[in-house]
Amino acid sequence: RKEVEQDPGPFNVPEGATVAFNCTYSNSASQSFFWYRQDCRKEPKLLMSVYSSGNEDGRFTAQLNRASQYISLLIRDSKLSDSATYLCVVNNFNKFYFGSGTKLNVKP
Amino acid sequence: DAGVIQSPRHEVTEMGQEVTLRCKPISGHDYLFWYRQTMMRGLELLIYFNNNVPIDDSGMPEDRFSAKMPNASFSTLKIQPSEPRDSAVYFCASSLGQYSNQPQHFGDGTRLSIL
Repeated sequence: RKEVEQDPGPFNVPEGATVAFNCTYSNSASQSFFWYRQDCRKEPKLLMSVYSSGNEDGRFTAQLNRASQYISLLIRDSKLSDSATYLCVVNNFNKFYFGSGTKLNVKP
Repeated sequence: DAGVIQSPRHEVTEMGQEVTLRCKPISGHDYLFWYRQTMMRGLELLIYFNNNVPIDDSGMPEDRFSAKMPNASFSTLKIQPSEPRDSAVYFCASSLGQYSNQPQHFGDGTRLSIL
């Protein structure tokens, strides 16, 4: 079983839509969690950390459910510029496990 | 602040040649990671270091790959001899491991093509 699993998508949504991605992880002792964004032919970039109480950064909301071992990312009012691959990342004692990514296409 | 710096950005070489990729982590970061990314296999962890010491090299594909970190500000990933299947984007990342909630920061990557 993979450490981190994500739906690869693609998610095709119109501008202005709300879209949500989930990610599951296998190690219940995992310590920290992140969402990264990767544009085509670019490096992964940190989008946001995920905190136990949930956290929001503008149009982006991240949530963690330790009991069910999943992490979610909600994007409200999607923009064309949100089109990218979103990577779920789990940290176990400073070893980072990356999901395979969920591709988002926002269309006009 | 300078981010993770990788060189070269692009490398095209013939199979059998030695390839050396370089990375300068963010100053003060004590963890350094080397990844390889392809369309087929996604992002794969090759090896990571803590305080210049290799901790886990289980992702290194075979003996043709080697990595070193002679000091806190420099690491190399070497492929010798290179093969066409080594063609990929190689990323270096660093993190501050003292606190487990710190994320990784990636360099721009080296796009390697072995002909």
